[in-house]
Amino acid sequence: DARVTQTPRHKVTEMGQEVTMRCQPILGHNTVFWYRQTMMQGLELLAYFRNRAPLDDSGMPKDRFSAEMPDATLATLKIQPSEPRDSAVYFCASGLVPDSHGYTFGSGTRLTVV
Amino acid sequence: TQLLEQSPQFLSIQEGENLTVYCNSSSVFSSLQWYRQEPGEGPVLLVTVVTGGEVKKLKRLTFQFGDARKDSSLHITAAQPGDTGLYLCAGPYGGATNKLIFGTGTLLAVQP
Repeated sequence: DARVTQTPRHKVTEMGQEVTMRCQPILGHNTVFWYRQTMMQGLELLAYFRNRAPLDDSGMPKDRFSAEMPDATLATLKIQPSEPRDSAVYFCASGLVPDSHGYTFGSGTRLTVV
Repeated sequence: TQLLEQSPQFLSIQEGENLTVYCNSSSVFSSLQWYRQEPGEGPVLLVTVVTGGEVKKLKRLTFQFGDARKDSSLHITAAQPGDTGLYLCAGPYGGATNKLIFGTGTLLAVQP
């Protein structure tokens, strides 16, 4: 089965450090999402790409977060500097639009900032 | 303010019982999706409903899209421990950008 691959699965870092999370979407998918999941807020949309172009990053704290798609096989989410409140599970999802079959999620990166 | 509100938030039932989970909004959605998420994994798509009033069945799971396309329900018949997980509804929102937003989630625990 085709899958979305996220690395690393777990990351523990100290406050102030830079964190980069990577996502390999399913080949042929033209849409990529980044979400953050916490107990309090649930799944929050951070950024959204279509054909590698950013469509919406209004959910992302601009001063410290950045999202890019340097090519069709790689999406990155970077936090610099990281803060304890960034601790969460970050998910990447990809899909083909227009398509009614939904999106495929990766297994997530569990980030802990101490 | 959440665009998609789910109820109940938590549900703990015995194996064999039936249950219904609700997803409600004041906004109209062109479609709604249901996902199930297990611990340590990402959400997995169960179904997409597109037409108002549509009913879809997936084994013991029955999904319905409201006539006005503002709400949806998921009914599980004879729940099993394997149904345990976080159930999430989601829908495209935002006009041309069509970003996918998620509901607040229902955490279901089925006890053997």
